[in-house]
Amino acid sequence: KNQVEQSPQSLIILEGKNCTLQCNYTVSPFSNLRWYKQDTGRGPVSLTIMTFSENTKSNGRYTATLDADTKQSSLHITASQLSDSASYICVVSGGWGFQKLVFGTGTRFLVSP
Amino acid sequence: ETGVTQTPRHLVMGMTNKKSLKCEQHLGHNAMYWYKQSAKKPLELMFVYNFKEQTENNSVPSRFSPECPNSSHLFLHLHTLQPEDSALYLCASSSTHRVGTTAYNEQFFGPGTRLTVL
Repeated sequence: KNQVEQSPQSLIILEGKNCTLQCNYTVSPFSNLRWYKQDTGRGPVSLTIMTFSENTKSNGRYTATLDADTKQSSLHITASQLSDSASYICVVSGGWGFQKLVFGTGTRFLVSP
Repeated sequence: ETGVTQTPRHLVMGMTNKKSLKCEQHLGHNAMYWYKQSAKKPLELMFVYNFKEQTENNSVPSRFSPECPNSSHLFLHLHTLQPEDSALYLCASSSTHRVGTTAYNEQFFGPGTRLTVL
């Protein structure tokens, strides 16, 4: 069964600290993996997208890694800011169609002052 | 912000009402999607339209009726909903093109409509 699992489910850290969110997937075949940020009451916004040949990709203070062999990805947030408080969703696209995405349940991330 | 707009942003309706959600994309995409997002659950794909043709109906109850008059507009008509249908309804759009051997289907989401069914 194609699944995406994220951990932790929720996380609270102090402003300025670093953190790492995890994503494990069992989607096959694999096309690409992306991380979305979703503010409360808003739609998800793409942070990074990686294909199987890419190991790491950065977007400002966000750095995503991908290990296609172990089917794991991580999202590292550096020097967290209050505006980073949101849900972070890992999404995997399979190779069986242009539209099929498998979504994780997300990690609810709160930055405390 | 993302080029996908949704109206209304909030909607409260009774179980006997009929209402419609609207989505519009300004990105020149050919595919549009409806998703349902409930608390603590992954986004659930409801419908997919590609070049105005419905290509996916993910076992959605008939009380949800989509309409796609053109590639830029997507509607979700609601009637006789149940309280468990209360959720955030997200619209998304994408192009469906292939770059080399990789298929990219980057989806851009609208802000969503927060629906409450009483």
